[in-house]
Amino acid sequence: AQSVTQPDIHITVSEGASLELRCNYSYGATPYLFWYVQSPGQGLQLLLKYFSGDTLVQGIKGFEAEFKRSQSSFNLRKPSVHWSDAAEYFCAVGAAGQAGTALIFGKGTTLSVSS
Amino acid sequence: DTAVSQTPKYLVTQMGNDKSIKCEQNLGHDTMYWYKQDSKKFLKIMFSYNNKELIINETVPNRFSPKSPDKAHLNLHINSLELGDSAVYFCASSPTIGANVLTFGAGSRLTVL
Repeated sequence: AQSVTQPDIHITVSEGASLELRCNYSYGATPYLFWYVQSPGQGLQLLLKYFSGDTLVQGIKGFEAEFKRSQSSFNLRKPSVHWSDAAEYFCAVGAAGQAGTALIFGKGTTLSVSS
Repeated sequence: DTAVSQTPKYLVTQMGNDKSIKCEQNLGHDTMYWYKQDSKKFLKIMFSYNNKELIINETVPNRFSPKSPDKAHLNLHINSLELGDSAVYFCASSPTIGANVLTFGAGSRLTVL
């Protein structure tokens, strides 16, 4: 079955500390992978995406993610967290160009930032 | 100029009523979606339209009926509302079908009393 697992429901990080949010996927086809962020009361904003090529992808707001096919993972990282990064983070997987498919989202990880 | 706009942003109604949520995108995208986000923030696809044609219809009660009058609009009508329908409904669009970069609206929070 196609699925996305985000093992950490809630993470608290000190401001200025590094961050890693985990994402594992199960997908039959070659996956396209995404990270989205949702601030309270807002819609989802794309942070970054992986389609092919370099397995380390850079996104907005200083985020990066690394695709590891052997581990079926696409973890999100940031070297130094800012208080404004507190939000809900969603990993998603899908297959491009296939009719009848849509992105499958993980259940999200809530990031809190302490001062 | 909002890329994907949904109305209304908040909707409070009684059980048994019928309500609609409207969505419009000005990105020129071919594909539009409705996602439901439950109280635990889990996002689940409900419907997808490509150029006004229904291409995804997940296991959703038939009280939910989407309608796409043109490729820039996708509306969601819900009949006989139930308590379990309370959620945030997100509209999204993408350039083409399949896994693409989704642009989301701000969401419509539906509360059924």
